[in-house]
Amino acid sequence: SQQGEEDPQALSIQEGENATMNCSYKTSINNLQWYRQNSGRGLVHLILIRSNEREKHSGRLRVTLDTSKKSSSLLITASRAADTASYFCATDAGGSEKLVFGKGTKLTVNP
Amino acid sequence: DAGITQSPRHKVTETGTPVTLRCHQTENHRYMYWYRQDPGHGLRLIHYSYGVKDTDKGEVSDGYSVSRSKTEDFLLTLESATSSQTSVYFCAIRSGEGTDTQYFGPGTRLTVL
Repeated sequence: SQQGEEDPQALSIQEGENATMNCSYKTSINNLQWYRQNSGRGLVHLILIRSNEREKHSGRLRVTLDTSKKSSSLLITASRAADTASYFCATDAGGSEKLVFGKGTKLTVNP
Repeated sequence: DAGITQSPRHKVTETGTPVTLRCHQTENHRYMYWYRQDPGHGLRLIHYSYGVKDTDKGEVSDGYSVSRSKTEDFLLTLESATSSQTSVYFCAIRSGEGTDTQYFGPGTRLTVL
């Protein structure tokens, strides 16, 4: 079963706007990751946040983690058309050597 | 793509035929994974390997087998392909012992008629 569930399933915004995607998960984790997938390509790792961290930044990306609510959010600021992609959260399900991926949020950034 | 290649990139086959997909990595990573991606289901783990000849099942392993006879190659076999196995298959490696980050290959689009 899916560990992470992203919300919304699809998001359409204008270039320059911010995009926020949410991920909820079910079991305890050591870390949570976000990946991006451009159409027809493999997933690309974006950022990892550990369970003892509350917020992390990387360029225009900001990730938050609330372990009490078992949720995370990914914020992309000042979005560009090139940010158009699907975004997935993945969790390690408490230290497993496996990752469990959510179903993804499809982001469309209109020029 | 972290030195990961998949072959073939596209394949069309008929129900009941055996199919083998190959994942090749150039960086000696210990962990390798096979996923399938389907609309509405996201990415689901089929099998993974934690070393030569060491493999384990994932969430959706029925109908699939794997083999890893050398570090650089991880093979996924559909013994008798079914239409429900039409999907995009991704191979991934884990970048190191102390991290859970995975790097993905370009994918293989498999169609079973």
